[in-house]
Amino acid sequence: EDQVTQSPEALRLQEGESSSLNCSYTVSGLRGLFWYRQDPGKGPEFLFTLYSAGEEKEKERLKATLTKKESFLHITAPKPEDSATYLCAVQAEERQNFVFGPGTRLSVLP
Amino acid sequence: DGGITQSPKYLFRKEGQNVTLSCEQNLNHDAMYWYRQDPGQGLRLIYYSQIVNDFQKGDIAEGYSVSREKKESFPLTVTSAQKNPTAFYLCASRKDRTNVLTFGAGSRLTVL
Repeated sequence: EDQVTQSPEALRLQEGESSSLNCSYTVSGLRGLFWYRQDPGKGPEFLFTLYSAGEEKEKERLKATLTKKESFLHITAPKPEDSATYLCAVQAEERQNFVFGPGTRLSVLP
Repeated sequence: DGGITQSPKYLFRKEGQNVTLSCEQNLNHDAMYWYRQDPGQGLRLIYYSQIVNDFQKGDIAEGYSVSREKKESFPLTVTSAQKNPTAFYLCASRKDRTNVLTFGAGSRLTVL
């Protein structure tokens, strides 16, 4: 059975304090690993897709990396507007659905 | 701009009533999904549809029903058989090749 866990459950950072969020997964053949950002009361928004171990993607203060068992979302010098819940999801090969983790709730304090 | 529209944003239901949540997309995506989100839990798949007039049950389909009569529309009915329907419901569509999901803004259902 495909599974996704995320840690920590919640993270509070001071503005400018860099950190990383973890997404651990087990899947029978990875088709893609996806990161989404979700603001309170809204739908998730797409950030990155990673397909194979060693791949990295960057966007502004965010960088996503992938190994065979986990993915990290690195946040460099975060700002208060980066506060949100970050969701990780995996899609297995030959599957049309996705398995989501519970998310990490990030708060960046000014 | 293309996107997904969910309505209503807030809905209150009495026990024993069926309610229908609307989901419309103008992205020309073939596949559409319904997820349920509860506090502290990941998104759980209710139903998905890869093509018009075809849909598959997800992990928590009991007490829910869907239809896919048009490519643009994928309504979800929460029936009185759903024992704990209070939740945040998200509709999404999937872009071919990239498999990226685009989500609607969600519908929050509260059972009184």
